Amino acid sequence: GAVVSQHPSWVICKSGTSVKIECRSLDFQATTMFWYRQFPKQSLMLMATSNEGSKATYEQGVEKDKFLINHASLTLSTLTVTSAHPEDSSFYICSARDQGRGYTGELFFGEGSRLTVL
Amino acid sequence: QKEVEQDPGPLSVPEGAIVSLNCTYSNSAFQYFMWYRQYSRKGPELLMYTYSSGNKEDGRFTAQVDKSSKYISLFIRDSQPSDSATYLCAMWGGGSNYKLTFGKGTLLTVNP
Repeated sequence: GAVVSQHPSWVICKSGTSVKIECRSLDFQATTMFWYRQFPKQSLMLMATSNEGSKATYEQGVEKDKFLINHASLTLSTLTVTSAHPEDSSFYICSARDQGRGYTGELFFGEGSRLTVL
Repeated sequence: QKEVEQDPGPLSVPEGAIVSLNCTYSNSAFQYFMWYRQYSRKGPELLMYTYSSGNKEDGRFTAQVDKSSKYISLFIRDSQPSDSATYLCAMWGGGSNYKLTFGKGTLLTVNP
């Protein structure tokens, strides 16, 4: 149980284009999902908290117009990197909390999406 | 001082060794403590989850939390080459935001 699926796992795009990454909770419902960014040999950096049916909450320094987050259902959140540039190249990982497990801090992570912007 | 400190390593041990991984933290509000394992180019996988102080064992893995010292540990017994990965500690203080604070991760290599 508690499986989070992320798609695509790897994407290459041209500078100036937009890329959408999907995050799905496969066997549980998630009112809250989180999007992280990870640079090589670095820890996870929280970008934003995605809330089902409402606007995402962005961390300080994260451009909300560049990283569009939509959480339209209890099992799906999407991250769209708009007008991507080479400096946006990174490993993007989503995570979700299984609300059925009650009041815990456990988060379950997707496999990650590696974005390369040429 | 960072909220969570974790020695990034790298740590290299022979197969069968006992591995000790540690994190220290400064925020006394943290109550929930987790260890994640991350293989290269993959998402983190939850290994151990502990609430408050004490020990928790799961197979070859033991997690310890000492809240008085603000120190948590993960022990791996009889380490295997398949344990080679980055191990991240994570903590949460409770509340409604569910935002975890992560350590930088320790890169572990178990040599056959």
